[in-house]
Amino acid sequence: QLQLQESGPGLVKPSETLSLTCTVSGGSISSSSYYWGWIRQPPGKGLEWIGSIYYSGSTYYNPSLKSRVTISVDTSKKQFSLKLSSVTAADTGVFYCARQSKGLRLGELDYWGQGTLVTVSS
Amino acid sequence: ETVMTQSPATLSVSAGERATLSCRASQSVGDNLAWYQQRPGQAPRLLIYGASTRATGIPARFSGSGSGTEFTLTISSLQSEDFAVYYCQQYRNWLTFGQGTKVEIK
Repeated sequence: QLQLQESGPGLVKPSETLSLTCTVSGGSISSSSYYWGWIRQPPGKGLEWIGSIYYSGSTYYNPSLKSRVTISVDTSKKQFSLKLSSVTAADTGVFYCARQSKGLRLGELDYWGQGTLVTVSS
Repeated sequence: ETVMTQSPATLSVSAGERATLSCRASQSVGDNLAWYQQRPGQAPRLLIYGASTRATGIPARFSGSGSGTEFTLTISSLQSEDFAVYYCQQYRNWLTFGQGTKVEIK
């Protein structure tokens, strides 16, 4: 059974860079059939796609966050990572990693990590 | 950006009754539409993709329909575990989610 697990600091100071890692187990991160994505959810609010990466390193970012986001992949460790720079309190929320189907374009998100809460505060 | 609008914001339904949730896209997304269920404190769970295909392990009481800009998620007979928040998501133009519909016990 595929499992994804987010890890990283739960508290980040304003203006600093948020860094999270997602570790994939029970399956291959190098499958040609999937992307790997990051999604966030502010407290009590809805879901926002941050970006996705293919095992080859090709990336796709939400245009509204693109200037602050970097997603990378390490296939040898079965991990992919998120960096979000210049954070503010508005970036506080639960961050999820997920597997994403690959068709002609980005697809649905069929396996999700449990999520990790990141608070931006001094 | 393709804006997804869900209605109603809250749906009050009794167990055993039928629930119908709507999702509208600001431009055509074809059948590139998914539905997710999120219970409190849990990650979202994929229910439907391709507008009408149930994901693995999803009960038959969940069904999706629609194409283009108008979509519907129907839960034929609500069970206690179905009271949750439901999100639609398009993947025709990047990815965007609706704001969610909360299905609560009447």
